[in-house]
Amino acid sequence: AQKITQTQPGMFVQEKEAVTLDCTYDTSDPSYGLFWYKQPSSGEMIFLIYQGSYDQQNATEGRYSLNFQKARKSANLVISASQLGDSAMYFCAMREGITGNQFYFGTGTSLTVIP
Amino acid sequence: ETGVTQTPRHLVMGMTNKKSLKCEQHLGHNAMYWYKQSAKKPLELMFVYNFKEQTENNSVPSRFSPECPNSSHLFLHLHTLQPEDSALYLCASSQGSGGHGYTFGSGTRLTVV
Repeated sequence: AQKITQTQPGMFVQEKEAVTLDCTYDTSDPSYGLFWYKQPSSGEMIFLIYQGSYDQQNATEGRYSLNFQKARKSANLVISASQLGDSAMYFCAMREGITGNQFYFGTGTSLTVIP
Repeated sequence: ETGVTQTPRHLVMGMTNKKSLKCEQHLGHNAMYWYKQSAKKPLELMFVYNFKEQTENNSVPSRFSPECPNSSHLFLHLHTLQPEDSALYLCASSQGSGGHGYTFGSGTRLTVV
């Protein structure tokens, strides 16, 4: 079974609007971390936001927030006030355990921001 | 600059060539990784090094040979590759646990002809 599932291969959003990118995960480990990365066309993977499995509050980082629904095993990324520079691939990832080295990545969502 | 530098950015090689990819980090991280990114597939973990010791080899074919001479440098030696090995090869490093994710390099776009 896939550890990370991203069901939206491509998304479009109008500039200045908010957009939600979906991510569901599968693990039986009670300790895990969830991450979102942005990959522009240059290829570099840029860390955006992190949510720990025991965190009570949803993580926020500037215009990025993570809608963490533990019972549903979902960790959707919300980008508010979209900008043209947000156009990129977005990857959801999970690390099982507190100190695990291996991350599991989804297949990504391509986001295009329309002016 | 991301803190993780990969060279070259682009590489075209024939199936009989030998080449090496280089990764360098000056973040003081103790773990380094090679990932392969092919179109429409999740990132595939290839190798993990912790404190210069290889701790993970994800059933990678022997035509890919990693080398980690110290905790700041990681190489991927390539020989007799196949066209299906064409992909973006990403290096990453990490330190600690919790919210410490990976820091990635910009990748090497490899084309095997």
